[in-house]
Amino acid sequence: SYELTQPLSVSVALGQTARITCGGNNIGSKNVHWYQQKPGQAPVLVIYRDSNRPSGIPERFSGSNSGNTATLTISRAQAGDEADYYCQVWDSSIVVFGGGTKLTVL
Amino acid sequence: EVQLVESGGGLVQPGGSLRLSCAASGFTFSSYSMNWVRQAPGKGLEWISYIGSSSSAIYYADSVKGRFTISRDNAKNSLYLQMHSLRVDDTAIYYCARRDDTYSYMDVWGKGTTVTVSS
Repeated sequence: SYELTQPLSVSVALGQTARITCGGNNIGSKNVHWYQQKPGQAPVLVIYRDSNRPSGIPERFSGSNSGNTATLTISRAQAGDEADYYCQVWDSSIVVFGGGTKLTVL
Repeated sequence: EVQLVESGGGLVQPGGSLRLSCAASGFTFSSYSMNWVRQAPGKGLEWISYIGSSSSAIYYADSVKGRFTISRDNAKNSLYLQMHSLRVDDTAIYYCARRDDTYSYMDVWGKGTTVTVSS
């Protein structure tokens, strides 16, 4: 079965750029989606189809996908960006989530 | 307002059954496929089931196959998850989520309902 690998945690200084990776075999050939989940809340879609932002998501959030790695980039990180982030793909009729990355803004 | 509201969670003993519901509003429910996703305490997201807009396609994660049944009633704008033979490791928050059929992302999520399996 297909697997997605994310770092357990990423730290970023306030106002700097955070990058969260999602590794998978030839993930560049798939559509990758990213979700943000804050404590006690449901997940929220922040990036779909590799690099597209839903309405209401700040331009600071961007994504890329190539080869074996997809990346979520958060520019000018804010305290409110602290959350868990999950990547997701659809593979062989099932949904696959990465294990999640906890983003800490210092 | 586009909204999904889950209900039906609660405390159940191991081996017991429970039926979750998800009420949709603010969009044409019958035009969208749907997913159930769960999250065990302190753990990540786990997809458990998918159903197509007309119920013609249904998929399950191996962890629930044979024990859980997904269904929907488009006339009632409702999604369901019937759970049997519940185990302690089924304890989780259960979310329903709307799926975009072109690119497979989940763009609308409910707030979740909590299922606790314990004796």
